[in-house]
Amino acid sequence: EAQVTQNPRYLITVTGKKLTVTCSQNMNHEYMSWYRQDPGLGLRQIYYSMNVEVTDKGDVPEGYKVSRKEKRNFPLILESPSPNQTSLYFCASSLGQGVTGELFFGEGSRLTVL
Amino acid sequence: AQKITQTQPGMFVQEKEAVTLDCTYDTSDPSYGLFWYKQPSSGEMIFLIYQGSYDQQNATEGRYSLNFQKARKSANLVISASQLGDSAMYFCAMKEYGNKLVFGAGTILRVKS
Repeated sequence: EAQVTQNPRYLITVTGKKLTVTCSQNMNHEYMSWYRQDPGLGLRQIYYSMNVEVTDKGDVPEGYKVSRKEKRNFPLILESPSPNQTSLYFCASSLGQGVTGELFFGEGSRLTVL
Repeated sequence: AQKITQTQPGMFVQEKEAVTLDCTYDTSDPSYGLFWYKQPSSGEMIFLIYQGSYDQQNATEGRYSLNFQKARKSANLVISASQLGDSAMYFCAMKEYGNKLVFGAGTILRVKS
């Protein structure tokens, strides 16, 4: 089954404790991206990757890191989480560039930083 | 400036009736794509429908149709014959060059029995 898998789905952590949210897709997609969802703001892009070893900042990259060592994986790293990073996070992927083609989303990871 | 505007924070509709969710967008790029996603209370993002800027006809997918008015920069989602399972958050989104989707703030739809 074609899917984007994120882990963990739910996480409560404390300020400053490094964490990683993993994302894996099995569709051989070149493009992968991370979004955060906050009430009243919709989804905002954090980072994206056009292909292996190619990553770039989205609209809200502060406090996050990513890497793309393999085509299928695109982990999101919070080096020193803060309470304002409490949010619902989505990983997404799509086949290539261009204005057509939907983004396939993971199920979301709900993160709470105390 | 907001790229995607959804002016209805919440909507109610009676079961079996049609409902229109509004979306306006802002772009100077002649080539773009417009998407609607559904997010039920369980949280996942479900793709509903796509409209390309050069498409001559309005997109339709089952009970979903997209009322695309290019001159007005409007891409409203029409859900016909609403069902209780349509209760969810609905997001309008736009893609310009590349793969970045820009989302609106969303509209919560509640279907009443």
